[in-house]
Amino acid sequence: AQKITQTQPGMFVQEKEAVTLDCTYDTSDPSYGLFWYKQPSSGEMIFLIYQGSYDQQNATEGRYSLNFQKARKSANLVISASQLGDSAMYFCAMRESNQAGTALIFGKGTTLSVSS
Amino acid sequence: DSGVTQTPKHLITATGQRVTLRCSPRSGDLSVYWYQQSLDQGLQFLIQYYNGEERAKGNILERFSAQQFPDLHSELNLSSLELGDSALYFCASSVEAGGHTDTQYFGPGTRLTVL
Repeated sequence: AQKITQTQPGMFVQEKEAVTLDCTYDTSDPSYGLFWYKQPSSGEMIFLIYQGSYDQQNATEGRYSLNFQKARKSANLVISASQLGDSAMYFCAMRESNQAGTALIFGKGTTLSVSS
Repeated sequence: DSGVTQTPKHLITATGQRVTLRCSPRSGDLSVYWYQQSLDQGLQFLIQYYNGEERAKGNILERFSAQQFPDLHSELNLSSLELGDSALYFCASSVEAGGHTDTQYFGPGTRLTVL
């Protein structure tokens, strides 16, 4: 079973509008972290935002916020006031437990296209 | 700029050859991770080193090996290359050995093309 599911292969949004990128996850570990990364066409992976499983509040970083619904096992990324430079592939990832040696598990990604 | 450096940026080689990819972690980070990104497999974890010691292994082929040196830079060695090894190889680094709060920062990647 997939641990990270991103059901939207592509999303389209106009500049200045908000957009939500969906991510659901599957884990039985009570301690886990959820991450979002951005991959522009240039290829690099840019860390955007982190949410811990025990965090009481949704994470925010500038125009990025994470809509964390633990019971539904979802961690959607919300980008407010979209800009042309937001056009990229976005990956949701999870890291389980507090044990050492655990790697990131990535979803398949969502391509976001922002138009003017 | 994440602070993680990778060289070379591009590498073109032939089947059967051997290549070495190099990574320098962010200052202060002790863990180095290697990931492979291909169109069919997506992003796959290969291997992690922490302070010179192998910490975790993922889907790394026997033809691939890695090490982390005393100055904490890491090298990923790929041998007997096949067409299917063509991919974008990322190095990432983090402060700790693991834990769900430990954020990994990625380098710009090395794009390997095997002809």
